[in-house]
Amino acid sequence: GEEVAQTPKHLVRGEGQKAKLYCAPIKGHSYVFWYQQVLKNEFKFLISFQNENVFDETGMPKERFSAKCLPNSPCSLEIQATKLEDSAVYFCASSQSGQARQPQHFGDGTRLSIL
Amino acid sequence: GQQVMQIPQYQHVQEGEDFTTYCNSSTTLSNIQWYKQRPGGHPVFLIQLVKSGEVKKQKRLTFQFGEAKKNSSLHITATQTTDVGTYFCAGGDHMLTFGGGTRLMVKP
Repeated sequence: GEEVAQTPKHLVRGEGQKAKLYCAPIKGHSYVFWYQQVLKNEFKFLISFQNENVFDETGMPKERFSAKCLPNSPCSLEIQATKLEDSAVYFCASSQSGQARQPQHFGDGTRLSIL
Repeated sequence: GQQVMQIPQYQHVQEGEDFTTYCNSSTTLSNIQWYKQRPGGHPVFLIQLVKSGEVKKQKRLTFQFGEAKKNSSLHITATQTTDVGTYFCAGGDHMLTFGGGTRLMVKP
């Protein structure tokens, strides 16, 4: 598609439950990025993929967060044993290439609320 | 690691007044990108600057990249209510490091 599609728009989970978010990048874009935006507008980079392969995972809290981009499926970001501090908007972005000169196209985000 | 700071955090202006947000990086940037995020929305790419001292204009918006490629600014002339939102600068060679954003509020 011509837009990055993220589902669901909103997700509510009790503390300790699992949360799974999905992202379909723009067709033809090779790179997918996940960012976390907390209430103070701060963006935190989590992970990026080049097609199905992890490209950069330096931002991932590896204990509870995992992500995948499988062929012919939306990419996913999964959080096990959610904590209150995981409440945030999670944005997925895609770009044609991973180079600095390519703008990133963002989806509408998934608002995750942990109760 | 790289840090990108943005000031001011908030700016209230009367419609028709000008607005400027400033962005500073702790390291030299290969490029800087600017995004606009409306309330409840997602970041939308505005522009990218690559060259030292570069200036680009988009209608009422003027973007500058510093000579040392460590700072940048976005200036809006004669703000309109449609300019409301948070403006972010972002730099990075692959993933983006975002500034904290400047939230612009315009009183009609």
